Amino acid sequence: AQSVSQHNHHVILSEAASLELGCNYSYGGTVNLFWYVQYPGQHLQLLLKYFSGDPLVKGIKGFEAEFIKSKFSFNLRKPSVQWSDTAEYFCAVNARSSNTGKLIFGQGTTLQVKP
Amino acid sequence: SQTIHQWPATLVQPVGSPLSLECTVEGTSNPNLYWYRQAAGRGLQLLFYSVGIGQISSEVPQNLSASRPQDRQFILSSKKLLLSDSGFYLCAWTQGGAGGYTFGSGTRLTVV
Repeated sequence: AQSVSQHNHHVILSEAASLELGCNYSYGGTVNLFWYVQYPGQHLQLLLKYFSGDPLVKGIKGFEAEFIKSKFSFNLRKPSVQWSDTAEYFCAVNARSSNTGKLIFGQGTTLQVKP
Repeated sequence: SQTIHQWPATLVQPVGSPLSLECTVEGTSNPNLYWYRQAAGRGLQLLFYSVGIGQISSEVPQNLSASRPQDRQFILSSKKLLLSDSGFYLCAWTQGGAGGYTFGSGTRLTVV
């Protein structure tokens, strides 16, 4: 069975600081990887996704993530955070061979950016 | 374009009462449909998914059930709510196989 682990549960940063949120997954086959964001009071939104190709994926709002297959990791990065990045971030994975598309989420990381 | 509707947005129900949450998708056919529950500090837990009409798979044993009476309709139910059923319930869809999801706006359920 697939599982996803996000190492940081609560991160507090000052504006302009760099961000890296860790995500590791457990699955023996080929996966698709996602980062979702939930801003306060809003829907879950897709930040970025990796299906294949270049392991460095760029998403919306200046976020990027790197898939390192040997480490089963898909860490999210942003070089300089803004107060508006305050939100909850979820890493998720599903099996590429699956016809069900079940998406398994990590526990989430709450990011608080201080102005 | 495809849209997903979920209602109600907020619900307060007494313990022991029944529950029915509805989710519908427009602009697509034969979507994969999912119910998730989001609890603080616990991320999103997959409750049920369906790959076709009348087909339901349950991920965790619980007091809830799901049904898919029509292609684009997914219903989450309970005969008797428990306090532990409180939470934020999200419906989502994807167009077959592996891919990203589109989420509904969610229902905040409080069981009192």
